[in-house]
Amino acid sequence: GQQLNQSPQSMFIQEGEDVSMNCTSSSIFNTWLWYKQDPGEGPVLLIALYKAGELTSNGRLTAQFGITRKDSFLNISASIPSDVGIYFCAGQLPRDDKIIFGKGTRLHILP
Amino acid sequence: DARVTQTPRHKVTEMGQEVTMRCQPILGHNTVFWYRQTMMQGLELLAYFRNRAPLDDSGMPKDRFSAEMPDATLATLKIQPSEPRDSAVYFCASGWTLTGGGYNEQFFGPGTRLTVL
Repeated sequence: GQQLNQSPQSMFIQEGEDVSMNCTSSSIFNTWLWYKQDPGEGPVLLIALYKAGELTSNGRLTAQFGITRKDSFLNISASIPSDVGIYFCAGQLPRDDKIIFGKGTRLHILP
Repeated sequence: DARVTQTPRHKVTEMGQEVTMRCQPILGHNTVFWYRQTMMQGLELLAYFRNRAPLDDSGMPKDRFSAEMPDATLATLKIQPSEPRDSAVYFCASGWTLTGGGYNEQFFGPGTRLTVL
């Protein structure tokens, strides 16, 4: 089946550092979504992208829909402790109702 | 604010017992999705409905799992009989989809953590 390759799998950073993660696929997507999941909770939608090249920000988060439509990245600037969690990318194929999830990037912030 | 709600939040049961999980989607959303999350497999789509009609349940083990939407405010996922390998977190998500794809922001509930002993 279709797969999204999300990297890195985990990250250990210092508070205040910037973070970057990305997703790639061999397929073209119409929509890219970025979610964050806290322990014991469901994924929460952070940013939705609908057009190739689109760059969208949500506070300290910035995400881009790749020009080729096969990739997307998420940046977090000046990380804070509450940024800890698992970040998922998800993509929607053309003419499909379903979205496909990456395996997640687990973000850890060192004290 | 509008949220997807799920009950129960936690369920511990013995192998062979029936398990029913419930979901109330966000009012106005036309599509409901059921997912299962495990460490090994990540988020897997089990089934989804649009306008209460089942569209795809290919991700679901048909012999023991069933999903229904008796009305627009309730979706259910049932496992009968349950097995230890069904232990996972089950999420319901709702959103607005168009026939043929397009606009698909999905909003997740808090999940039901199922443990089958």
